[in-house]
Amino acid sequence: AQSVTQLGSHVSVSEGALVLLRCNYSSSVPPYLFWYVQYPNQGLQLLLKYTSAATLVKGINGFEAEFKKSETSFHLTKPSAHMSDAAEYFCAVLGGGADGLTFGKGTHLIIQP
Amino acid sequence: EAQVTQNPRYLITVTGKKLTVTCSQNMNHEYMSWYRQDPGLGLRQIYYSMNVEVTDKGDVPEGYKVSRKEKRNFPLILESPSPNQTSLYFCASTPGQGALGYTFGSGTRLTVV
Repeated sequence: AQSVTQLGSHVSVSEGALVLLRCNYSSSVPPYLFWYVQYPNQGLQLLLKYTSAATLVKGINGFEAEFKKSETSFHLTKPSAHMSDAAEYFCAVLGGGADGLTFGKGTHLIIQP
Repeated sequence: EAQVTQNPRYLITVTGKKLTVTCSQNMNHEYMSWYRQDPGLGLRQIYYSMNVEVTDKGDVPEGYKVSRKEKRNFPLILESPSPNQTSLYFCASTPGQGALGYTFGSGTRLTVV
């Protein structure tokens, strides 16, 4: 069964600093991986996805993630944090019931002014 | 606009009083799912549907029912709500292969007292 582990329930960075949100996965098959963002009182929005093409995936709002099979990781990065990036971020792997998503527990990103 | 619409956004009810949360998508998607989100647990799949009249249990189906009589609608039914079903609920849909990514509704915050 597929699973996802997000390291750090809360991550705090200064505005303008590098954002790094960690995600490790477990999958018995080549995985499809996703990062979603949830702004306060809103639903989930797809940031980016890995579907076995390029290992470096670029998403919206300046985010990108690199798939590393040897490390079973799919960490999310952004070179320079903005106040508007403050949100909850979820890593997910495809493989729930009938192509459902299995989510990590989420990382709350805090941006310090 | 392509979207998944859930109603209501907020609901407070009493233990044992049957309720239905509606979900509708306008993208002609085959797959639809319900998730619940709880602090520290991320999102967990409740039920999913691969097409009309085809539904199956996800990871946390106890206390819930669903139906899929039409392709666009996938209501979530709580026959006898209990306080442990207090949660944030999301409906999501995808065209038929989860690798394309799911579109999520805005969520329904349910409180059972």
